[in-house]
Amino acid sequence: GAGVSQSPSNKVTEKGKDVELRCDPISGHTALYWYRQRLGQGLEFLIYFQGNSAPDKSGLPSDRFSAERTGESVSTLTIQRTQQEDSAVYLCASSLEQAANEKLFFGSGTQLSVL
Amino acid sequence: GDSVTQMEGPVTLSEEAFLTINCTYTATGYPSLFWYVQYPGEGLQLLLKATKADDKGSNKGFEATYRKETTSFHLEKGSVQVSDSAVYFCALRRTGGFKTIFGAGTRLFVKA
Repeated sequence: GAGVSQSPSNKVTEKGKDVELRCDPISGHTALYWYRQRLGQGLEFLIYFQGNSAPDKSGLPSDRFSAERTGESVSTLTIQRTQQEDSAVYLCASSLEQAANEKLFFGSGTQLSVL
Repeated sequence: GDSVTQMEGPVTLSEEAFLTINCTYTATGYPSLFWYVQYPGEGLQLLLKATKADDKGSNKGFEATYRKETTSFHLEKGSVQVSDSAVYFCALRRTGGFKTIFGAGTRLFVKA
């Protein structure tokens, strides 16, 4: 596609419910990232996928968070038993490869509000 | 661990004023350095980058020079416009690494 696409753009849920966030990276991009941006704060790394390699999950804040990616396409980030502190913008980014000077292309994010 | 520190905002300037947003980093080796910008209602996008010491990244009138001796990558623009109002993020990515580390972001307001 033309850019990184995320859905939904906004999600309001009740505490304790599960949510699933979707990311469609740019076609051909082998690297895919999930970040979390809490209000007024910087980007917090969550997870990274590179091709068919095992993902790096070192940034996931708890076992309630999980993510999957099928090959080099769509990724889903799942948050189980949501808590109010999960409220944030969840950003997905992709890049062409893993080189250090490769830039990231970001989606517009999913604004998650847990009531 | 690697980290990026940038000046707190918000920064409020009048149109045509000079802009500096400070950024310093901590990293082993020689990371690549980036400035990303997030305009209202839009996703983050790369503004400029520099990949080695003394490199200068530039785009849209913005500049930043990779200073290894001071571990800094300050963002500058000689004459800001209202359309530059946005949040600016400094970031680094270590050679051989995959994780891009971001600063907390600095919000810029430019008044007409």
